[in-house]
Amino acid sequence: EPEVTQTPSHQVTQMGQEVILRCVPISNHLYFYWYRQILGQKVEFLVSFYNNEISEKSEIFDDQFSVERPDGSNFTLKIRSTKLEDSAMYFCASSEGSLSYEQYFGPGTRLTVT
Amino acid sequence: AQSVTQPDIHITVSEGASLELRCNYSYGATPYLFWYVQSPGQGLQLLLKYFSGDTLVQGIKGFEAEFKRSQSSFNLRKPSVHWSDAAEYFCAVAAGGSYIPTFGRGTSLIVHP
Repeated sequence: EPEVTQTPSHQVTQMGQEVILRCVPISNHLYFYWYRQILGQKVEFLVSFYNNEISEKSEIFDDQFSVERPDGSNFTLKIRSTKLEDSAMYFCASSEGSLSYEQYFGPGTRLTVT
Repeated sequence: AQSVTQPDIHITVSEGASLELRCNYSYGATPYLFWYVQSPGQGLQLLLKYFSGDTLVQGIKGFEAEFKRSQSSFNLRKPSVHWSDAAEYFCAVAAGGSYIPTFGRGTSLIVHP
């Protein structure tokens, strides 16, 4: 069964460093998403991406974040200058279409900023 | 803006017992409602969803949920829990016109043998 994959599973970085989290969505999916979950808190939406552009983003997704689909398979989330409060689990998801279609989630990348 | 409350942080049940996980939402119109499950080390998996129609929704793994507009609730149920059901369960709501779900904080299900 096709699945969303994410690398790395765990990333440790120092405050102020740039990180890139990588995701490989399911191949025939058109919509891509990033969510995050700070330990003990809710899963929060960051951004959605369709047709090579951001279709929706939350207040969390400020100028330090960016997303890219650099080739036909990868979908990346870049954090330009990490802060301690960026420590969280980051989930990538993809779907064939929008609301009525199920979003398939990856296993997540745990980001630890020290 | 919509919001979701899962009042139980942890629920412990014995294997074979019935289960009900509570979810309340806040949204002015009819919402789109979801239940997701997250097993350790795994991503979130959709159990079931409600958009319209029959208020009792059947999902995967023997789960069902009932939408009660009068109570603003969408509780998840299973008649007989298996040890493999131990996981984190998330309720989510999306407003009409948006496909982005707002998640609750999750309920951790512990299953005793």
